[in-house]
Amino acid sequence: SQQGEEDPQALSIQEGENATMNCSYKTSINNLQWYRQNSGRGLVHLILIRSNEREKHSGRLRVTLDTSKKSSSLLITASRAADTASYFCATYMTTDSWGKLQFGAGTQVVVTP
Amino acid sequence: EAGVAQSPRYKIIEKRQSVAFWCNPISGHATLYWYQQILGQGPKLLIQFQNNGVVDDSQLPKDRFSAERLKGVDSTLKIQPAKLEDSAVYLCASSLDRGQGGSRFTEAFFGQGTRLTVV
Repeated sequence: SQQGEEDPQALSIQEGENATMNCSYKTSINNLQWYRQNSGRGLVHLILIRSNEREKHSGRLRVTLDTSKKSSSLLITASRAADTASYFCATYMTTDSWGKLQFGAGTQVVVTP
Repeated sequence: EAGVAQSPRYKIIEKRQSVAFWCNPISGHATLYWYQQILGQGPKLLIQFQNNGVVDDSQLPKDRFSAERLKGVDSTLKIQPAKLEDSAVYLCASSLDRGQGGSRFTEAFFGQGTRLTVV
């Protein structure tokens, strides 16, 4: 079973607009990460937010985390055609000696020029 | 630094045949993951190695799938016999775990994946 659920499943926007996608998860986490996957390629790490952080920025990306609601959001500002990809949230949970990284189903984003 | 290497990139086999995938993680990365990604879905963790030991294989169909990590470096994932529902992209990833405690984890680095088609 997958830990995260993304919403929406698909998003279509025009260049210059902002794209927002949400992730909900079920259990306590150590950190939450967002990855991007271009068609036919591997996943690329975008940003990591730890459980004691509430907001993080990286370039045009803004991530929020609400551990009380077990949810996170990813905002891409001023989107570009090159942002067209699938975006996945991934939760990282730790035991005493190792951790587990589990992915959600993803949001497919299409940015049209 | 070199990334995670996977081979082959594509493989087409008939059902009931066997297939093997190879992964070379980033040097020094203790953790190695194998994920299965079916078209339109997110990656599903099949097996996780910490150095050369298995720490999680709860979602690995052990009647047909097997994996090993030689000397804590390279890894192979095998399917025998393959079924039609095994058609997917198999992704290998690695991460650097620096020690005890949750703050050690940074990010996972993924290979390009192997696209398997079972006909």
